[in-house]
Amino acid sequence: GQNIDQPTEMTATEGAIVQINCTYQTSGFNGLFWYQQHAGEAPTFLSYNVLDGLEEKGRFSSFLSRSKGYSYLLLKELQMKDSASYLCAVRDSNYQLIWGAGTKLIIKP
Amino acid sequence: GAVVSQHPSRVICKSGTSVKIECRSLDFQATTMFWYRQFPKQSLMLMATSNEGSKATYEQGVEKDKFLINHASLTLSTLTVTSAHPEDSSFYICSASHLGRGDTGELFFGEGSRLTVL
Repeated sequence: GQNIDQPTEMTATEGAIVQINCTYQTSGFNGLFWYQQHAGEAPTFLSYNVLDGLEEKGRFSSFLSRSKGYSYLLLKELQMKDSASYLCAVRDSNYQLIWGAGTKLIIKP
Repeated sequence: GAVVSQHPSRVICKSGTSVKIECRSLDFQATTMFWYRQFPKQSLMLMATSNEGSKATYEQGVEKDKFLINHASLTLSTLTVTSAHPEDSSFYICSASHLGRGDTGELFFGEGSRLTVL
């Protein structure tokens, strides 16, 4: 079966760095996405990786290793507004999106 | 980025009534739209894939007679929850992708509609 694993919850301190991991087992691979979702709101797109390596976008970076079925989202200089759920999603060989359960990130002052 | 608008954002209805939720792509043509349902503290659950001009493709376990999906134009898809019951109370979210040269196929989400059935 297809499976995406990410931690349920993480806590970090304002101004610090946090890494949210995602491992996946899917039927084929056509890209990995990270989305941010604040409570009660719809998800918003953060990043997309299809090739191995690191993609940097401001305070957020996303890494992919296809051979390991692994990705992480790195958030630097954490701000209180970064408190949200972070969803990892993989597009399989049928171009279907498989969603992880999300990681709730709690930022403390 | 592309904009997807969803309406209404909140709706409260009585058990047994039907509720229609609209999803519009405002600045691009979406040949395919997706409808998700999300229960509290859970991830997104794909309900169906809506293709313009054809019948929607429903995921296993989703009742197509209860959740009617219409995609009559390239910019509008609707989800109608028929004979709603309290267990249908949830957060319903639509999304669309803008597939073109250089696009990643990222999803653009509507604002979501929170349905409460009394």
